[in-house]
Amino acid sequence: AQRVTQPEKLLSVFKGAPVELKCNYSYSGSPELFWYVQYSRQRLQLLLRHISRESIKGFTADLNKGETSFHLKKPFAQEEDSAMYYCALSGFNTDKLIFGTGTRLQVFP
Amino acid sequence: KAGVTQTPRYLIKTRGQQVTLSCSPISGHRSVSWYQQTPGQGLQFLFEYFSETQRNKGNFPGRFSGRQFSNSRSEMNVSTLELGDSALYLCASSLDRGQPQHFGDGTRLSIL
Repeated sequence: AQRVTQPEKLLSVFKGAPVELKCNYSYSGSPELFWYVQYSRQRLQLLLRHISRESIKGFTADLNKGETSFHLKKPFAQEEDSAMYYCALSGFNTDKLIFGTGTRLQVFP
Repeated sequence: KAGVTQTPRYLIKTRGQQVTLSCSPISGHRSVSWYQQTPGQGLQFLFEYFSETQRNKGNFPGRFSGRQFSNSRSEMNVSTLELGDSALYLCASSLDRGQPQHFGDGTRLSIL
């Protein structure tokens, strides 16, 4: 079955602390993995995709095929990182996204 | 460049009615997908359209249908509305299949 699991509904940290948002997936084949973010009163937007292998706003995510994970990390959280984060996957040459249930990140000053 | 535009932003309907939601993709984008977002089920895939053809369909009843026009604009229709259809319906567009998707603000549908 195709599934994305985000085990934490809420993650609260203080500014400057490291952040790791967990994402595990189940997919037969080679999926493409994404992180989407939704800031308060804004639309859902793409943060990272694994094939780009880039760092956006200080966030990175590494695809671990052995552990079927795609955890999102940032060494020093900022207050403006507070948002809802969704992990998602898709198959080859399709726009169909399977989303996790999301993790709300709260960064306190 | 204007983003993905969804109309209307809000809709209130009663059970048994039908509804049509509209999505205008970013200019030049040819792929349009639809998602339903609810507190209980989260974000669930509805349809994917490319070149006026439905390429993928999610696990939703036949009451949910959609189409894409030659200018890439898309509509989705829900007939015989049920209370459980209350949700935020999101549209996303991409330049081509497999390319980064851009989401609209959604249409919030409430069924009374």
